[in-house]
Amino acid sequence: EPEVTQTPSHQVTQMGQEVILRCVPISNHLYFYWYRQILGQKVEFLVSFYNNEISEKSEIFDDQFSVERPDGSNFTLKIRSTKLEDSAMYFCASSSQPGANVLTFGAGSRLTVL
Amino acid sequence: QKEVEQDPGPLSVPEGAIVSLNCTYSNSAFQYFMWYRQYSRKGPELLMYTYSSGNKEDGRFTAQVDKSSKYISLFIRDSQPSDSATYLCAMSPSREKLTFGTGTRLTIIP
Repeated sequence: EPEVTQTPSHQVTQMGQEVILRCVPISNHLYFYWYRQILGQKVEFLVSFYNNEISEKSEIFDDQFSVERPDGSNFTLKIRSTKLEDSAMYFCASSSQPGANVLTFGAGSRLTVL
Repeated sequence: QKEVEQDPGPLSVPEGAIVSLNCTYSNSAFQYFMWYRQYSRKGPELLMYTYSSGNKEDGRFTAQVDKSSKYISLFIRDSQPSDSATYLCAMSPSREKLTFGTGTRLTIIP
């Protein structure tokens, strides 16, 4: 069964450093998403991306964050100047059509900021 | 009031029992309602999807939406140990951005 692949599975970084989380969506999918889950809290929407541009973003997704589809297969989330409160599980998701009911999530990348 | 509220549990029931999981919400704009299952160290996996009010059944799972009460439920019949997971309700006004509940951790005891 096709799946969304995320790397790294766990990254530890120092506060102030930049991190890039990578995702390989399902190959025929066109809509891409990032969500995050701080430990013990709910999963939160960060951003949706279609046709090489952001289609919607949450208030969490400020200038510290950016997304990119650098080639035909990868979808990345960059976090500049990481803060302690950025520590969370970051989930990538993709779908072949718009609509939250058809999202396929990856297993997540755990980010720990020290 | 939180936009979506879900009892975090944990909830433990014996194998074969009927499980009832619930969420309440405050945003009347929500039209799309989903239940996700999340196993440890995995991403959320879509279980059930319902548009607007009503019931939907899929095998041992039944999802109910009552928009007048702003209340959604997931029932699991003949529960199995493999159903042990965290169950997340999620909803959206526009089929795009999902708002999740905190999740209910469920354990089915053999």
